[in-house]
Amino acid sequence: EVQVMESGGDWVQPGGSLRLSCATSGFTFKNYAIHWVRQSPGKGLEYVSAISGNGGTTNYVDSVKGRFTISRDNPKNTLYLQMSSLRPEDSGVYYCRAVAETASLEFWGQGTLVTVSS
Amino acid sequence: DVVMTQSPLSLPVTLGQSASISCNSSQSLVYSDGNIYLNWFQQRPGQSPRRLLYKVSNRDSGVPDRFSGSGSGTDFTLKISRVESEDVGVYYCMQGIHWPWTFGQGTKVEIK
Repeated sequence: EVQVMESGGDWVQPGGSLRLSCATSGFTFKNYAIHWVRQSPGKGLEYVSAISGNGGTTNYVDSVKGRFTISRDNPKNTLYLQMSSLRPEDSGVYYCRAVAETASLEFWGQGTLVTVSS
Repeated sequence: DVVMTQSPLSLPVTLGQSASISCNSSQSLVYSDGNIYLNWFQQRPGQSPRRLLYKVSNRDSGVPDRFSGSGSGTDFTLKISRVESEDVGVYYCMQGIHWPWTFGQGTKVEIK
């Protein structure tokens, strides 16, 4: 059974930091690119970051460049998103999405809520 | 960024009838390999998004054949035949060729 489980979401003040984790099982993790997608009431679904299966390629949306870092630990089947200098507009539910290299399979987690507010 | 524009944003449908959602992209979604990286997602109330179709018309595992996709270049359509109560939710198109990948605003499907 495939499992994708995000954790680490919390309430934090502007300027603070959080590290999100995405633990997976049930599929060959290293063969999947992993994405972070966030959803907020004001902005709908928005891509935040993505990383290739071997970790060699990373992408970030402009609004988080220099503040967020995506990484993965393939032996542990886990993805991370280190977030710093957080802003209120970073608030939302953060989903982890795994996509097979062939694009034929994909899996989502249930999301973790990040609230940035004073 | 590529702008994905969906219409309508709200779609009341009678059970058993068909429904169509349009999606227009501000740039061509044809990649150099000839593939068109346009996906459709469903998000039921209280749930995570779920992909229904990838590369315009390829159904994901477990997706009923009532869902079909078509289109090319910049204009795409999701069709739901014989709408059922389980189809209630918000539907999004998404382009996966120009980073950052972007979603449409979403179309809310409800039963009349």
